[in-house]
Amino acid sequence: AQSVTQPDIHITVSEGASLELRCNYSYGATPYLFWYVQSPGQGLQLLLKYFSGDTLVQGIKGFEAEFKRSQSSFNLRKPSVHWSDAAEYFCAVVPLMNYGGATNKLIFGTGTLLAVQP
Amino acid sequence: DAGVTQSPTHLIKTRGQQVTLRCSPKSGHDTVSWYQQALGQGPQFIFQYYEEEERQRGNFPDRFSGHQFPNYSSELNVNALLLGDSALYLCASSLFTGGIAKNIQYFGAGTRLSVL
Repeated sequence: AQSVTQPDIHITVSEGASLELRCNYSYGATPYLFWYVQSPGQGLQLLLKYFSGDTLVQGIKGFEAEFKRSQSSFNLRKPSVHWSDAAEYFCAVVPLMNYGGATNKLIFGTGTLLAVQP
Repeated sequence: DAGVTQSPTHLIKTRGQQVTLRCSPKSGHDTVSWYQQALGQGPQFIFQYYEEEERQRGNFPDRFSGHQFPNYSSELNVNALLLGDSALYLCASSLFTGGIAKNIQYFGAGTRLSVL
């Protein structure tokens, strides 16, 4: 079945430590890929996106993500986490249709809640 | 430059009632999408409006309906509310382009609906 999976529901890291949040998708064709962050009481903010080309994409707030076609993954990374990074992170896709077109909707994973220890 | 604004921020209703949520898109955007985010879940796509028409719909019953106005703002209406409709409702706006799947969606802070 088509899906977006974020296997880690909750992750705790120490401030200054590195971070990797996992995302796997299951679609016939590589979809467009996104990472969003949601802070309490806030809407979703786009961190970065991948459409095609260079498989390592840079985003805002020092985040990057790497697309790996062989693993159907789009993992989010940050070399040094700050306390302000504590939030919920969502991986999302826009599926491409078999005929080469695209849908208009974002399909989200269930999210990973990041806690940062001082 | 105002971002996506939603009103109200919180709402409490009882089962069977009807509710209307409102969304003003980011300046310059012409497309509005609505999402439902249940507690502990990722947002789920309800529908999208462009040129005052529903362009695509997710797996939601007809109790969920919407409207887009000439100024691009939008409303989400839910009839015959159920307890399971309690959720955060998010509005996202974007600018239609030829490669529509690449249009970036910008989200509002949402409306928290509680159904008692």
